[in-house]
Amino acid sequence: DAKTTQPPSMDCAEGRAANLPCNHSTISGNEYVYWYRQIHSQGPQYIIHGLKNNETNEMASLIITEDRKSSTLILPHATLRDTAVYYCIVRVLSNFGNEKLTFGTGTRLTIIP
Amino acid sequence: DAGITQSPRYKITETGRQVTLMCHQTWSHSYMFWYRQDLGHGLRLIYYSAAADITDKGEVPDGYVVSRSKTENFPLTLESATRSQTSVYFCASSVTGHTEAFFGQGTRLTVV
Repeated sequence: DAKTTQPPSMDCAEGRAANLPCNHSTISGNEYVYWYRQIHSQGPQYIIHGLKNNETNEMASLIITEDRKSSTLILPHATLRDTAVYYCIVRVLSNFGNEKLTFGTGTRLTIIP
Repeated sequence: DAGITQSPRYKITETGRQVTLMCHQTWSHSYMFWYRQDLGHGLRLIYYSAAADITDKGEVPDGYVVSRSKTENFPLTLESATRSQTSVYFCASSVTGHTEAFFGQGTRLTVV
């Protein structure tokens, strides 16, 4: 699986859009980009994933660059409850028995009141 | 209750003892995962399973044993616990290898 690089921490004002970047310059054609978050000491929570097209759901939007070497997770109107560690994960899906889900160290996002 | 549950939530054990952490999911998800989380290390994959009777090593498998005789259960055993295995352990499951994974609430294990 390709490695990802994320800033260790970010702040965002409450009510503003939080834009979390992720670099995955070694991504290959069959690898998806996933985002999870972990609030305090809870188990991680799935947010969104995509291959090449931009994706949006009720929680967030995922913007993937045309060359797929980087992506941005957007929380459109951040609230205090969005304070968490956000993990960007690149994952190979094509090989049965090799469908690992491995996490990096993530970005600690703090929403400022 | 539907979902994924881990037991116990908290466990203190002594060095050298065998301890088993349980993970049970009610969705019949094919995939299950075990992670450990230590301060400064994020989540590290210990073992995962693509289906009953199919398991594979993750990043940090040494000192751990898993089994998956039934789809819904994925126990993690520390055969001879060491202090370095003090950690928070998370179990997760997913329908397939590429669908979202659902995590349990974690087991905080302390080895003294």
